[in-house]
Amino acid sequence: GEDVEQSLFLSVREGDSSVINCTYTDSSSTYLYWYKQEPGAGLQLLTYIFSNMDMKQDQRLTVLLNKKDKHLSLRIADTQTGDSAIYFCAESKGSARQLTFGSGTQLTVLP
Amino acid sequence: DGGITQSPKYLFRKEGQNVTLSCEQNLNHDAMYWYRQDPGQGLRLIYYSQIVNDFQKGDIAEGYSVSREKKESFPLTVTSAQKNPTAFYLCASNKDAGINNQPQHFGDGTRLSIL
Repeated sequence: GEDVEQSLFLSVREGDSSVINCTYTDSSSTYLYWYKQEPGAGLQLLTYIFSNMDMKQDQRLTVLLNKKDKHLSLRIADTQTGDSAIYFCAESKGSARQLTFGSGTQLTVLP
Repeated sequence: DGGITQSPKYLFRKEGQNVTLSCEQNLNHDAMYWYRQDPGQGLRLIYYSQIVNDFQKGDIAEGYSVSREKKESFPLTVTSAQKNPTAFYLCASNKDAGINNQPQHFGDGTRLSIL
């Protein structure tokens, strides 16, 4: 199966919070990342968390890590229409710290 | 501004033709990467290079080739052996692949289609 799994779609109302979930399988992963991709564009790094941390907050973004369950989540507070995009989680592993990506979650923000 | 530049933005390939995608960075990054993205899927690693004149195969290297003659440049050639080349190709780089906490930064991608 996939090394990194995400649900494909999420819809929220503008102003609500969004929670995007991700599970990974490699317990040796040291860093986990969240990237955002807008249509036709490359990936923009949003935030990342070291595997010995439980939580990281950066303005409207909160990352939660449950290492025991290998579960990662990204919470976006006060979601705006500009947050509509595909969100990828990725784990870093291997000698060159290669990234393994999930399939991405399409976030749609409804007015 | 420092960044990663991919060109062209759109590319068309005829059957049996090799095409080369350009990736240039002025971030003084040591490591560079090529990924392929198909609709509804995550990114898959094609090739990566940690240092000039050295590169390694990723998960889906068949039908592709790369070179790393300069630190700033990591071109990807899609050969005629790649039977399903239609995809969005993304180049990335980071300062030192072997050191944690060095996130990869991405270019804007090249969309390759078959004529």
